[in-house]
Amino acid sequence: NAGVMQNPRHLVRRRGQEARLRCSPMKGHSHVYWYRQLPEEGLKFMVYLQKENIIDESGMPKERFSAEFPKEGPSILRIQQVVRGDSAAYFCASSPPHGLLNGYTFGSGTRLTVV
Amino acid sequence: AQTVTQSQPEMSVQEAETVTLSCTYDTSENNYYLFWYKQPPSRQMILVIRQEAYKQQNATENRFSVNFQKAAKSFSLKISDSQLGDTAMYFCALGLIQGAQKLVFGQGTRLTINP
Repeated sequence: NAGVMQNPRHLVRRRGQEARLRCSPMKGHSHVYWYRQLPEEGLKFMVYLQKENIIDESGMPKERFSAEFPKEGPSILRIQQVVRGDSAAYFCASSPPHGLLNGYTFGSGTRLTVV
Repeated sequence: AQTVTQSQPEMSVQEAETVTLSCTYDTSENNYYLFWYKQPPSRQMILVIRQEAYKQQNATENRFSVNFQKAAKSFSLKISDSQLGDTAMYFCALGLIQGAQKLVFGQGTRLTINP
C-alpha cells in the first residue's frame, strides 16, 4: 500500500514560469492538504481539498496560487509566474474523513527552487 | 487564532541520554489534538506521538512520551535512551477537532544525538 506520492521531488523554475506540483493520496483517502515549508521554518497550512471541492483555502496566497483535486487523478498545486519568494518545500498530506482523528499521512515533499 | 511556540532552536545530547523538547501553544478552543512530528534529512514528516486534549493521561510510544499540561498550555516531548537515528528536526503541532482539520506547526527544534 503506497503512501502519499508527491512528484517531482525537486523542481527548478525560472522567474515568471509556472510550477505544477502533484500529489497522489494514499489509497482510500479522499481528503488532501497542502502545506508550505520555508527554509528553517515549520510547515504552514495552505489549502484543504476533498474530491472536486475546496474546503478551506485560508492559507493560500490570494494571487498566482491555485489547487485542485479532481474526481480522477492527483491533486495539483499550481503556482503561476513564480518569484524567488516561492522557493520552499511543498508538502501534501492525505487522510480519510476526520483527518486529525484518523491520522494524516504526509508525502516527502517537493522542493521548488526559483532561479 | 492558534499559535505554537518552540523556544529551543537547537539541542544536542549524547547517545543513550534523555532529552526533553519544549512546546507551548495558544488556543481558545477546548477540543484539540497535539502532535510531535519528526523530520529527518530525508524531509519525510513522521508522526511521533499524538495527544487528545480531553485525555489527562500523557501519551507514550516506546521511548517517546509527553508531558501535557493543559492549564499551562504546555506539551513537551521526552525521548529516553536516545539513539543516533533520533537526529532530526522535531515539530510540535496543534490541530482543532472542529473545522478544517488543519495543523498549526511550531518553528521546530533541531536535535542532534552525538555518538
